[in-house]
Amino acid sequence: DAKTTQPTSMDCAEGRAANLPCNHSTISGNEYVYWYRQIHSQGPQYIIHGLKNNETNEMASLIITEDRKSSTLILPHATLRDTAVYYCIVRLIQGAQKLVFGQGTRLTINP
Amino acid sequence: DARVTQTPRDKVTEMGQEVTMRCQPILGHNTVFWYRQTMMQGLELLAYFRNRAPLDDSGMPKDRFSAEMPDATLATLKIQPSEPRDSAVYFCASGFDSLRCTFGSGTRLTVV
Repeated sequence: DAKTTQPTSMDCAEGRAANLPCNHSTISGNEYVYWYRQIHSQGPQYIIHGLKNNETNEMASLIITEDRKSSTLILPHATLRDTAVYYCIVRLIQGAQKLVFGQGTRLTINP
Repeated sequence: DARVTQTPRDKVTEMGQEVTMRCQPILGHNTVFWYRQTMMQGLELLAYFRNRAPLDDSGMPKDRFSAEMPDATLATLKIQPSEPRDSAVYFCASGFDSLRCTFGSGTRLTVV
């Protein structure tokens, strides 16, 4: 699986958009970009995934660059409950693949 | 929403004792993952199964850890004998092939 690079930590003001970047320059054509988050003391939670088109769901939007070497997770109106560690993972979708977590980005939403 | 159920929620045991952690995956999911999380190492993948068959357990210390799926509704992770360095939160997750995974609430293990 391709490796990903994320900033160690980020801060965002409550009510503003939180934009979390992820670099995955060695991604291959059949690998998807997944985002999970882990709120303190809870199990990780799936947020969104995509291949090459931008994706949006009730939790977030995922913007993938045209060359697919990087992506941005957007939380449009961050709340205090969005404070968590956010993990960007690149993974094949065929069959049953490993789900391996890196260090992620610790996002702190400030009042 | 369907949930992954892990038991026990918390476990305190003495060094040398056997510990068994259980996980009930979501009905219909065919992939089960076991993770260990500590402050120092983060989330480590220990083992995973597809259709109850182990696909990879290379992350697991073989001499003391074992993972099994006796049936489709139960996954177990056993440590025998336990050591203080095994103290961690253990998470189970289930999914269908490589689609989104759902995690349980974890088992917090303390070995004294």
